[in-house]
Amino acid sequence: RKEVEQDPGPFNVPEGATVAFNCTYSNSASQSFFWYRQDCRKEPKLLMSVYSSGNEDGRFTAQLNRASQYISLLIRDSKLSDSATYLCVVNPAGGTSYGKLTFGQGTILTVHP
Amino acid sequence: DAMVIQNPRYQVTQFGKPVTLSCSQTLNHNVMYWYQQKSSQAPKLLFHYYDKDFNNEADTPDNFQSRRPNTSFCFLDIRSPGLGDAAMYLCATSRDGTRQETQYFGPGTRLLVL
Repeated sequence: RKEVEQDPGPFNVPEGATVAFNCTYSNSASQSFFWYRQDCRKEPKLLMSVYSSGNEDGRFTAQLNRASQYISLLIRDSKLSDSATYLCVVNPAGGTSYGKLTFGQGTILTVHP
Repeated sequence: DAMVIQNPRYQVTQFGKPVTLSCSQTLNHNVMYWYQQKSSQAPKLLFHYYDKDFNNEADTPDNFQSRRPNTSFCFLDIRSPGLGDAAMYLCATSRDGTRQETQYFGPGTRLLVL
């Protein structure tokens, strides 16, 4: 089983749609969770961290369910500029892991007019 | 304001010819990482430095080496590139490597092996 699993998509949605991505992780002791965005042939960039209570940043909402080892990202009112690959990222448990990140393979989103 | 800089952006090498990719940072971060990302795959951590302390991932091939001569610079050396080493190589930094920290990625070097 992969450490971090995502539905690779692609998701094709019209502008203004709401879209949700899911991610599961295998290490129950994982401590930190993130969503990164990666545009074609560019580097990953942090979209948002994911906190236990859930968090929202504008049109983006992230949720964490530790019991189910599940992370989600909801995008409301999709824009053309949201088209990208969304990477679910997990930092494994403690010790001297020095911020090691484990990436999911990414979910491709295409927003069309 | 460039923060993590990678040179070159594109590198072409021949099968078996050693190649060095470079990364520099203006953030004065303690931790620097090298990732390999193949097409349609997730970035895969090769190794990282905490200051001068080198940490190799268990499954990183011996063909890959790294040097960090000072805080600002880190190099990835591929001793004998094979066709399977063609990929995007991403350098990243974080301040202290604590779990909630953001990692800042450079733009990557795309390596082509002929």
